[in-house]
Amino acid sequence: ETGVTQTPRHLVMGMTNKKSLKCEQHLGHNAMYWYKQSAKKPLELMFVYSLEERVENNSVPSRFSPECPNSSHLFLHLHTLQPEDSALYLCASSQHSAKPNYGYTFGSGTRLTVV
Amino acid sequence: QQQVKQSPQSLIVQKGGISIINCAYENTAFDYFPWYQQFPGKGPALLIAIRPDVSEKKEGRFTISFNKSAKQFSLHIMDSQPGDSATYFCAASKTSGSRLTFGEGTQLTVNP
Repeated sequence: ETGVTQTPRHLVMGMTNKKSLKCEQHLGHNAMYWYKQSAKKPLELMFVYSLEERVENNSVPSRFSPECPNSSHLFLHLHTLQPEDSALYLCASSQHSAKPNYGYTFGSGTRLTVV
Repeated sequence: QQQVKQSPQSLIVQKGGISIINCAYENTAFDYFPWYQQFPGKGPALLIAIRPDVSEKKEGRFTISFNKSAKQFSLHIMDSQPGDSATYFCAASKTSGSRLTFGEGTQLTVNP
């Protein structure tokens, strides 16, 4: 384990379902991220939370709703998804500060299939 | 606007050969350049990183070469092994902020 745990690892959901992805980090980091990774496409940044405040939202459809209740937990709530939303959803964390940056630690991702 | 451009998109190398992946960046404020390695079914994992005060960093078979004037950096994998087969991402960020900008990724296949 990398210190960032994502659950579930796999999720199959219908277009009318509501589900949530969970991310937990045990590294004491103060910034957390959601990325979407589709086949043969670059990593797409979806949301950034720093010190539990959303600081970036890259024009993500409203059917994706993030929640960051504290610096260790991050959720991605899903509802009325489309088949094109099927992808690997990655959570990452980092230490956001003026000190030298040591990059991100990623979780293993949730493989989402929308049917 | 893609601020970090990575090439090639895919690379096939024979076992024992040298794998070379290149990245170019635009933002001169970037001062941290990591490479991530991703195996199927896993998230990307930090492999090696460099800061612009040095031109090269080596860790085992992995070397980053950095050319500040050209705004380019590359990953060299010496004596490539089948276990190195993965997707590699370059990235860049500013020390004062932790947001990473990623390249498009390179799928490396090392044939036995």
